Amino acid sequence: SQQGEEDPQALSIQEGENATMNCSYKTSINNLQWYRQNSGRGLVHLILIRSNEREKHSGRLRVTLDTSKKSSSLLITASRAADTASYFCASPPMDTGRRALTFGSGTRLQVQP
Amino acid sequence: GAGVSQSPRYKVAKRGQDVALRCDPISGHVSLFWYQQALGQGPEFLTYFQNEAQLDKSGLPSDRFFAERPEGSVSTLKIQRTQQEDSAVYLCASRPGGEWTEAFFGQGTRLTVV
Repeated sequence: SQQGEEDPQALSIQEGENATMNCSYKTSINNLQWYRQNSGRGLVHLILIRSNEREKHSGRLRVTLDTSKKSSSLLITASRAADTASYFCASPPMDTGRRALTFGSGTRLQVQP
Repeated sequence: GAGVSQSPRYKVAKRGQDVALRCDPISGHVSLFWYQQALGQGPEFLTYFQNEAQLDKSGLPSDRFFAERPEGSVSTLKIQRTQQEDSAVYLCASRPGGEWTEAFFGQGTRLTVV
C-alpha cells in the first residue's frame, strides 16, 4: 500500500517555468522526504522536511508541509531540461511502526528545452 | 564504496528459474532496505534489515522471495521459481542508522522474466 499520492501524475512545462507537485499522505508522519528518479536510475534524495517545519528551501527547491491537511508541495523554480525526471514523496509512517519509507506513485515531470 | 552498488544491473530469467540479486550498501550503514518498483509506479517496500537482523519482511509478496544479510553488510535478494509478475526493478537502499534520515539508493536491478 502507498502512503503518499502525488498530484499531478504527469506535468509538462517549458524551460524557465516553475513546476509545482503536490503530495497527500494518509497517516501521521515524523518527516516527509522528496526524491527524484531519472529514467533507468535509482532514487536521489532531494530534501527532508520535519513535521514541526512548515517550509524549507534548498537551492531552486522549495517544500511546504501542512500537517493539518496531510499534504506537502514541492516547487522547482526556473526549471531546466535536466530537471526532467519522476518525483516521489516518501515518509516513514509513525502509526505502523514500520521504519521503511513508503513512497507515492510519483509525478513525471517533462521540461521542454 | 562511494555509493550503494547493485548487481547485476539487468537480469533476464526464464519462468521457473531462480535468481539472486546482490546489494553492496554504503560501508558502515546499519539499515538496508529492498524495494520492488513496477513500471510507472513508485517503489514498494519488500524488507528491512538492521545490521544482520531482518526486522521487517512484511512486504515480501510470497514465500518465493527470500532476503539475507548474514554479516550485516552485503545483502542478497533471492527469488525462487520466477514468474512473469516478478518482472520489475529491484532497488536496494541503505541508511547510516536512526530512523528519520534520508536513504541512499542503488541503481537497481531490472529483472525481466520471460
